[in-house]
Amino acid sequence: EPEVTQTPSHQVTQMGQEVILRCVPISNHLYFYWYRQILGQKVEFLVSFYNNEISEKSEIFDDQFSVERPDGSNFTLKIRSTKLEDSAMYFCAIRTGGNPGANVLTFGAGSRLTVL
Amino acid sequence: SQQGEEDPQALSIQEGENATMNCSYKTSINNLQWYRQNSGRGLVHLILIRSNEREKHSGRLRVTLDTSKKSSSLLITASRAADTASYFCASSGSYQLTFGKGTKLSVIP
Repeated sequence: EPEVTQTPSHQVTQMGQEVILRCVPISNHLYFYWYRQILGQKVEFLVSFYNNEISEKSEIFDDQFSVERPDGSNFTLKIRSTKLEDSAMYFCAIRTGGNPGANVLTFGAGSRLTVL
Repeated sequence: SQQGEEDPQALSIQEGENATMNCSYKTSINNLQWYRQNSGRGLVHLILIRSNEREKHSGRLRVTLDTSKKSSSLLITASRAADTASYFCASSGSYQLTFGKGTKLSVIP
């Protein structure tokens, strides 16, 4: 059973629609991350979330994006009004490295978002 | 921000040969990590090397780090068809990782 489960595996949406991507870790974790990967390109950092607050975010993570942990378990990424360029694979990750500075990440299988 | 850049972008070798991938980054780091990604899947952590280490081994993997040149290399020895995947380096200076574009490795049986 994977440590990080992401849903949906694939979502197709119309431009301008809201999308919520979900991430469920198997056990309680404090550090969460969202990354995205446009097809064939590099994996880009979006946001990190620690102890129910955003700790870091990239330039990509603008006002259209938000994250929350509504029930203390699920971790969600919301895109309020999707654009064509939001089409990508979105990966949730948890920090599983033992030492504080060894931020080894365990990734989910990803949610593929297609914006038409 | 740090940025890992791998080369080559693509590498095709015969099974049994060694595969070497290189990575460069721009700023100071706490550690550098290598991840593997099978097509359409998430990234899987392979190995971590700390900034005060120069070389590290794990099974058929060997990683080197040269902080003076801000570069790292990943060597996979005795490659297998199952090693076919994309390999990414990720530099870490804070709590987030910055990934490069990856090297797509194809191991031909």
